[in-house]
Amino acid sequence: QTVVTQEPSLTVSPGGTVTLTCASSTGAVTSDDFPNWYQQKPGQAPRALIYSTSTKHSWTPARFSGSLLGGQAALTLSGVQPEDEAEYYCLLHLGDAQLVFGGGTKLTVL
Amino acid sequence: EVQLVQSEAEVKKPGESLKISCQVSGYSFTRYWIAWVRQMPGKGLEWMGIIYPDDSDTRYSPSFQGQVTISVDKSISTAYLQWSSLKASDTAIYYCARGHDTDYWGQGTLVTVSS
Repeated sequence: QTVVTQEPSLTVSPGGTVTLTCASSTGAVTSDDFPNWYQQKPGQAPRALIYSTSTKHSWTPARFSGSLLGGQAALTLSGVQPEDEAEYYCLLHLGDAQLVFGGGTKLTVL
Repeated sequence: EVQLVQSEAEVKKPGESLKISCQVSGYSFTRYWIAWVRQMPGKGLEWMGIIYPDDSDTRYSPSFQGQVTISVDKSISTAYLQWSSLKASDTAIYYCARGHDTDYWGQGTLVTVSS
């Protein structure tokens, strides 16, 4: 089965910029994989942030953006806030309703 | 307002059966797929499967095929996830979510399997 890999952890300073990535064991991630991104805080359900690579939900703060970068899906946070400290997951659509989550990135704001 | 409301936490013994639910409101139930996602204690999210309520077309992740059953009752806008024989390793939080884009999520149902 396809393995989707994310950085296990990243640290960023308040006000800074950080990019989280999402790679597929089968090769380059493309827009056909419809990358999604989620934020999960302790004790809470995941919250959808980005779908179809770069489209934001109505509730997604403007500082979050999605893209493709060097064959990977990417989530960039610009002007990081303390409340952005959370676990972030990507999700790739691998065809025939088979979807795979990445292992998650723990983002620390310090 | 779109809402997915899941059933309450369950404590079961190994070998017992279980069916948990996800009742939706605020949109047309039959127009969006419903996905189920597992989160084991302290671990990441795992895609289990997805169902289209209109015709019950169901797809399972290979890891969960044969281990669980996903179903719906259109008359009450509810999706279900069920086990016929629970194992301790099924202990987890289970989430339902709307559509392939999983834009709206339920609050999660904690299932604890212990002898």
